[in-house]
Amino acid sequence: GAVVSQHPSRVICKSGTSVKIECRSLDFQATTMFWYRQFPKQSLMLMATSNEGSKATYEQGVEKDKFLINHASLTLSTLTVTSAHPEDSSFYICSARADRGLSAGYTFGSGTRLTVV
Amino acid sequence: GEDVEQSLFLSVREGDSSVINCTYTDSSSTYLYWYKQEPGAGLQLLTYIFSNMDMKQDQRLTVLLNKKDKHLSLRIADTQTGDSAIYFCAESIYRDDKIIFGKGTRLHILP
Repeated sequence: GAVVSQHPSRVICKSGTSVKIECRSLDFQATTMFWYRQFPKQSLMLMATSNEGSKATYEQGVEKDKFLINHASLTLSTLTVTSAHPEDSSFYICSARADRGLSAGYTFGSGTRLTVV
Repeated sequence: GEDVEQSLFLSVREGDSSVINCTYTDSSSTYLYWYKQEPGAGLQLLTYIFSNMDMKQDQRLTVLLNKKDKHLSLRIADTQTGDSAIYFCAESIYRDDKIIFGKGTRLHILP
């Protein structure tokens, strides 16, 4: 089945630095990738949707200059948290979809636990 | 508007059936999903149902959909300790090309 690899699984960074999270579709081409953020005991909040070769579409309230998304190829999307602060600490999960017509085409990565100290 | 609601906790004895309920508001939902999340892990798709179906069974899992009441349920037969996780109900809205998740139901298995 479709596999999405997300890396790193855990990262600790100092306040003010930037962190890059990678999301790769391993055995399919992902025309669309989604980035979610999950707060403790909360649901997943969609941050942005990215389509290969075009700018990401951000959800309301998500700072696009803070959370930079790049989807340069059909198998790789990256989320960069710029100038991270402790309030950015969270669990970030990516999801990739091969084709809009597939019902169960949303495959999730294993998530990245970001801790900003 | 888009909203998915589900209860936050459920405790079930090992061997019994677990029933997790979910309600959604958007009548234009195309697919409805159940995802499982184990501690510190990503989401695993358990099953999904197309909005014009009312039931789907897959081994120990049974999904029931009442489209009129916008109610979805997941029944896990013969609940095992390995079923302990958070279960997310989600709906996809084709026109918006995204999935809306509920807050998740934490399933706790009693010995």
